[in-house]
Amino acid sequence: EDQVTQSPEALRLQEGESSSLNCSYTVSGLRGLFWYRQDPGKGPEFLFTLYSAGEEKEKERLKATLTKKESFLHITAPKPEDSATYLCAVRQSGSNYKLTFGKGTLLTVNP
Amino acid sequence: SAVISQKPSRDICQRGTSLTIQCQVDSQVTMMFWYRQQPGQSLTLIATANQGSEATYESGFVIDKFPISRPNLTFSTLTVSNMSPEDSSIYLCSVEGGTSGTNEQFFGPGTRLTVL
Repeated sequence: EDQVTQSPEALRLQEGESSSLNCSYTVSGLRGLFWYRQDPGKGPEFLFTLYSAGEEKEKERLKATLTKKESFLHITAPKPEDSATYLCAVRQSGSNYKLTFGKGTLLTVNP
Repeated sequence: SAVISQKPSRDICQRGTSLTIQCQVDSQVTMMFWYRQQPGQSLTLIATANQGSEATYESGFVIDKFPISRPNLTFSTLTVSNMSPEDSSIYLCSVEGGTSGTNEQFFGPGTRLTVL
């Protein structure tokens, strides 16, 4: 049973075409939802942590939001350098430090 | 955030052999974590390594297959023992260490292992 599901699996955008990535979760007692960016051949790079429903975080063209069941990563006017795999992970109460990851969304932004 | 390095960055190994992966952090950290990222799959936690105590393994992972050392607060090793092609994966170490009491994890660059 998947606790973290990301959609779509892959997304292809034209430069400047805004869109959103989804991360839905079914854990109880959320103690943090994390977004990472992963470039080919590299480790995940931390982007955001969200802790409670209604919380929002922004960084350049990225904005992450959180509800009680899902998180969205909004990408505004993307550029080709935003192409990467975006990973979502959750930490739940009682899990100590364990992060449970989704499979990621592969984003390609064409010039 | 901490700067994390891993060695080797990649390796190709024969089945039945073992490989030890090193993880070095530029600052002292209490907890270090080892993850596996198989093709098309999610990052999966293998074990948590505390300095001075035995590593804690997640369900499906055992010490005989993935022995871990944590000799000090900046270094850890993960050994993949008696390898089979199914062990082909990217292995990543991570540490926890955000600012202002936050608890995000930061990852090393990974070790890409291919078992023939």
